[in-house]
Parts: sequence; structure tokens; C-alpha cells
Amino acid sequence: AQKITQTQPGMFVQEKEAVTLDCTYDTSDPSYGLFWYKQPSSGEMIFLIYQGSYDQQNATEGRYSLNFQKARKSANLVISASQLGDSAMYFCAMRDYNNAGNMLTFGGGTRLMVKP
Amino acid sequence: GAVVSQHPSWVICKSGTSVKIECRSLDFQATTMFWYRQFPKQSLMLMATSNEGSKATYEQGVEKDKFLINHASLTLSTLTVTSAHPEDSSFYICSAREGGRGIYEQYFGPGTRLTVT
Repeated sequence: AQKITQTQPGMFVQEKEAVTLDCTYDTSDPSYGLFWYKQPSSGEMIFLIYQGSYDQQNATEGRYSLNFQKARKSANLVISASQLGDSAMYFCAMRDYNNAGNMLTFGGGTRLMVKP
Repeated sequence: GAVVSQHPSWVICKSGTSVKIECRSLDFQATTMFWYRQFPKQSLMLMATSNEGSKATYEQGVEKDKFLINHASLTLSTLTVTSAHPEDSSFYICSAREGGRGIYEQYFGPGTRLTVT
């Protein structure tokens, strides 16, 4: 069974500083994908970044980068130059590509609060 | 990018009544749709997975007779909460996937906030 763990229920960061949101996962399958989503107070789920289990390089998308450490089964999200609009819930998720259902499993989330 | 809509965005109903939530993929054909429920300050919990034209597959602990899911076409899935009770109050999010589109193929709707009084 898949399991996603986000150990930080809440985080504060000063505006313009970088912040790392932790995510660890557990799967026995070699083929999987890791996702990060942002959920502002409006509730919509906004896709941020993706990392495939076979990708050799860490994924980057603008101010978002994913620190993928496969041996440690961690996929931490790094947000550089934090902005006030980054304040939101952040969810790490995993899809096991060998699973017939192929659905996303979500971690418990981290609430990020950016201080001006 | 692909767009998924949900209607209504929020609904208040009385205990004992039924509520239908629609999920539509606007610019792609969704071979698979997922329904999630999210309680305040909690994560998304998958309720069921539905493929067009087939019966939905419900996750353990989700009452299929209470949460009726119909995926009648490649662009529409509905979730009906039957005989709603206050404990059914939650944020319901649908997600749609187009088969073979690639790694980003699962798109989320904006969610429906249900309050049962």
C-alpha cells in the first residue's frame, strides 16, 4: 500500500526567503510519480510540479523545485523567493503506475504562511 | 490546460434531502473521473473512481448507496448524496483524467462545498 507523509502541519516563512516543505513516501513499486499541489483558501487544487521515479534530474518549475532523494524516499518541495500569494495548503501526492487504479494518494498537507 | 468544472460551487440543504453535484470536463474526454472528500483542515480522501459507462469503484468505508456516482458520458460525472446528514457536510472535489494524455493527465475541479443543516 502507498503512504505519503508530510510531517510539517504548519510552516512560517519570511517573504522573499526560501522554504522547504517535506514529503516522504513509501511504495514497493519501482514505477511511480510524485506530485505537489497548492490549495489556496478558495479550495481549488493547483498542480505545481511533477517528478517521475526514473527521472535523473530534480524537477524545476519556475520558483518551485523538487529535491528528489530516491534512496531516502523523499520528495521535498523547495519554494524560492516566497511571496505573500504562496500562503496556502500544500499537498504531496503519489501515483503508483503499476497500480490498476492508478489514482493519486495524498499526504496530510502542510499549511504555509508567508510573513510580510 | 484542461479544464474541469463543478456545479454547484456551494450548496446548503436540509437533513434528509438529496443533493447532486456535477463534474464536467470542458475541453477533453475524461475516461476516468475521481471523487474526493475533504474535511476542514484535512487532506483529500478518495471516495470512488469511475470509468465512463461502468459502475464506480468505491473506496473502503464509503457507502455506495449513499454516494451515488454516475459517469454517463466522457464529459460528465455526477455525485448524488442521498438522505444527507450534517456529518456529510464537506468539500467535495472531482478530478478527471484523459487516458494516454501523459503524466499531468489528472485535472481537478474547483470543488463543491456542501453544508447540511
